[in-house]
Amino acid sequence: DVKVTQSSRYLVKRTGEKVFLECVQDMDHENMFWYRQDPGLGLRLIYFSYDVKMKEKGDIPEGYSVSREKKERFSLILESASTNQTSMYLCASSLLQAGTGEKLFFGSGTQLSVL
Amino acid sequence: RKEVEQDPGPFNVPEGATVAFNCTYSNSASQSFFWYRQDCRKEPKLLMSVYSSGNEDGRFTAQLNRASQYISLLIRDSKLSDSATYLCVTLGGGFKTIFGAGTRLFVKA
Repeated sequence: DVKVTQSSRYLVKRTGEKVFLECVQDMDHENMFWYRQDPGLGLRLIYFSYDVKMKEKGDIPEGYSVSREKKERFSLILESASTNQTSMYLCASSLLQAGTGEKLFFGSGTQLSVL
Repeated sequence: RKEVEQDPGPFNVPEGATVAFNCTYSNSASQSFFWYRQDCRKEPKLLMSVYSSGNEDGRFTAQLNRASQYISLLIRDSKLSDSATYLCVTLGGGFKTIFGAGTRLFVKA
């Protein structure tokens, strides 16, 4: 069965801390994504990667960075956490099927609270 | 204006009812369309793709109207287990996947 695993389900950090969110997929997918989900706003794309060591900014990359050193792992980094980064973070992967769009497989999410 | 807009609901319906959700998108270059389902405190999961000719999967029917730039999802004979948030999703050029904020559905016994 397809699996996207996020390292933590709940995380509490203090303002100014450096935060690492890890995501691992076992489907050999090229594409990986990081979203945040906030009430009333839906899912917003932070960063995505379509290959190892490749990354592209999404809609809201400010305050975040990413790392993709291996195909199966995509890390989201909050360099200096702030309270407005309190959110649900969802990792996803996909194998782009030309002409048919793509199916996204999501991890179970990390609820991050920054105090 | 949001790129993908949905009525947030909630829709409260009795078991057995038929319920319809609409979604509008602003980017006429959008290529693919999907409905995802998200249960409370869970991750989104693909419910069905939406094709130009319309498509049906059991009790679920999805329609696309490119001229008016809207997508619909019809659920017939609602079950308690259909209670969830339904996310409208469009795929534009490249890897630009846009999610709507979702419509909440509560099905009551």
